[in-house]
Amino acid sequence: DAGVTQSPTHLIKTRGQQVTLRCSPKSGHDTVSWYQQALGQGPQFIFQYYEEEERQRGNFPDRFSGHQFPNYSSELNVNALLLGDSALYLCASSPGLAGGRTDTQYFGPGTRLTVL
Amino acid sequence: DAKTTQPPSMDCAEGRAANLPCNHSTISGNEYVYWYRQIHSQGPQYIIHGLKNNETNEMASLIITEDRKSSTLILPHATLRDTAVYYCIVRYTGTASKLTFGTGTRLQVTL
Repeated sequence: DAGVTQSPTHLIKTRGQQVTLRCSPKSGHDTVSWYQQALGQGPQFIFQYYEEEERQRGNFPDRFSGHQFPNYSSELNVNALLLGDSALYLCASSPGLAGGRTDTQYFGPGTRLTVL
Repeated sequence: DAKTTQPPSMDCAEGRAANLPCNHSTISGNEYVYWYRQIHSQGPQYIIHGLKNNETNEMASLIITEDRKSSTLILPHATLRDTAVYYCIVRYTGTASKLTFGTGTRLQVTL
């Protein structure tokens, strides 16, 4: 049973460019959450997708957007990249309503984004 | 979500039990305590969670005080591979329930 997968593993971009990161959830999971982890800090919640809609959003600007596909996979898009967007981007999946009240999130290995 | 307080770092000798404390004095009745760990540059790994009863799985035990204001994660026989940052998180359950990470405890397991 494959866990959460993310691609690419590493990415280097320059300021002003746009980037798309991809996530495939764990089998049986229909909810995907995205987190940003700057160096030396804990992960910060960006947003969560369920039934192809953004359900909750953290304190991130509109440059950060996402999408969920019918197969539950998800993309994170960041426009007009800034140096401060350099971070580890983590995707987490969970069973959502199917998981009942204990909606445990499982994380992928992350995508390391470097903005030069 | 309720905030948590953890010591910034702890050391443990290999083979001994590692006891990681967490204070969550403002926890509400429908909030669970979750523990994750993150080994350097990897994604956080789920360890265990509980509501009010003590819980045990193949990785660890979770002891929650009767008033639910604090908890302890116990790794019964720590190994070098348990060296990681451990996060204690309190969260509501449900489909829109995000995880709010603090700074965690950096556990160093030594020979």
